[in-house]
Amino acid sequence: AQSVTQLDSQVPVFEEAPVELRCNYSSSVSVYLFWYVQYPNQGLQLLLKYLSGSTLVKGINGFEAEFNKSQTSFHLRKPSVHISDTAEYFCAVSAGFNFGNEKLTFGTGTRLTIIP
Amino acid sequence: GAVVSQHPSWVICKSGTSVKIECRSLDFQATTMFWYRQFPKQSLMLMATSNEGSKATYEQGVEKDKFLINHASLTLSTLTVTSAHPEDSSFYICSATSGVVDTQYFGPGTRLTVL
Repeated sequence: AQSVTQLDSQVPVFEEAPVELRCNYSSSVSVYLFWYVQYPNQGLQLLLKYLSGSTLVKGINGFEAEFNKSQTSFHLRKPSVHISDTAEYFCAVSAGFNFGNEKLTFGTGTRLTIIP
Repeated sequence: GAVVSQHPSWVICKSGTSVKIECRSLDFQATTMFWYRQFPKQSLMLMATSNEGSKATYEQGVEKDKFLINHASLTLSTLTVTSAHPEDSSFYICSATSGVVDTQYFGPGTRLTVL
């Protein structure tokens, strides 16, 4: 079984400042890692994913994340945030080869608030 | 990109009635669809996994007789909340995958309010 821990429930950041949203996971098997963003009253949108290969993954909207196997982490970063980045961010993990059909386990989410 | 729609986007119903929520994959064939429930300011909890043409697999603690899931075609899955009660009020989100695309694509969600 897999589990995901998002250490920060809320992160306030000033506009144009950098941000890091933390995510740690536990699993007894190889995992695939995802970050999703949810705007108010909307579904989830995929930001980026780690499947294999390079541990630094670049996603949409200027976000990137780094997979660290030794620390079992997949932290999300952005060098300069905008007001439009205000949203809820979820880290998720799945396992198995046919991961598109595997269950996603989500973290509890981090609410990112950008301060003008 | 892959698009998943849900209908309705919001619904209000009386206690004791049944509500059906549709989830459609608009530009791909979804062999598998997932149904999630999200309480305010909480994470998504998987309710069930549905594969086209077969019975849904429910997560532990989810009442299969209360949350009826049908995946009759490769582009449509439905969730019916039977005899709804106020505690069923929640945000219901579906996702879909074809098994070829390497991720789940999420619908915009349906907000259910039971009075």
